[in-house]
Amino acid sequence: NAGVTQTPKFQVLKTGQSMTLQCAQDMNHNSMYWYRQDPGMGLRLIYYSASEGTTDKGEVPNGYNVSRLNKREFSLRLESAAPSQTSVYFCASSVLAGGPGDEQFFGPGTRLTVL
Amino acid sequence: AQSVTQPDIHITVSEGASLELRCNYSYGATPYLFWYVQSPGQGLQLLLKYFSGDTLVQGIKGFEAEFKRSQSSFNLRKPSVHWSDAAEYFCAVNSGGYQKVTFGTGTKLQVIP
Repeated sequence: NAGVTQTPKFQVLKTGQSMTLQCAQDMNHNSMYWYRQDPGMGLRLIYYSASEGTTDKGEVPNGYNVSRLNKREFSLRLESAAPSQTSVYFCASSVLAGGPGDEQFFGPGTRLTVL
Repeated sequence: AQSVTQPDIHITVSEGASLELRCNYSYGATPYLFWYVQSPGQGLQLLLKYFSGDTLVQGIKGFEAEFKRSQSSFNLRKPSVHWSDAAEYFCAVNSGGYQKVTFGTGTKLQVIP
């Protein structure tokens, strides 16, 4: 099993450009998440998908959109990138539907720089 | 609202020495508590978790953590640190639900020979 995979690993954008970060998991998990990690801020939840066909906002959703394409794939789109979106983005998945004891499995991250 | 505090941004220990990473949480009831580790360039991996029961929890890689309700703490410990333990460690709390996981700001561990 590959676990959680993310593409691309690195990306440089200019302000105003758009891009989609891809995430896939092969563990048959129901829930998927997108986080951003910034120095001194820990991880902050952008969006999550409790199950296939549903998505909801997290703590910092502004400037992002998501699509749960199927049970395996959950993409994050930046429609008009801004320098404030320079960050490391992590996708994660978990088995249960919102159980507080769920372990989350993380991908390796995408390092995004917006100039 | 729940919160997690990791007061140490950076810790340096000698290989073979003991380690304790501090985590304090703020939440009314007993939360679900986690420690994750992030190796350089990698995603986070679960070390251990606590829900209820025995307050001393064993995890992978020789780590353990102790839940102390009176101190609102969930400190991570290891008796003897190895060079491969150099990483960033995150404490997290979940009061229930998808968007209820709060991560601390992390403690970066450096191990010196």
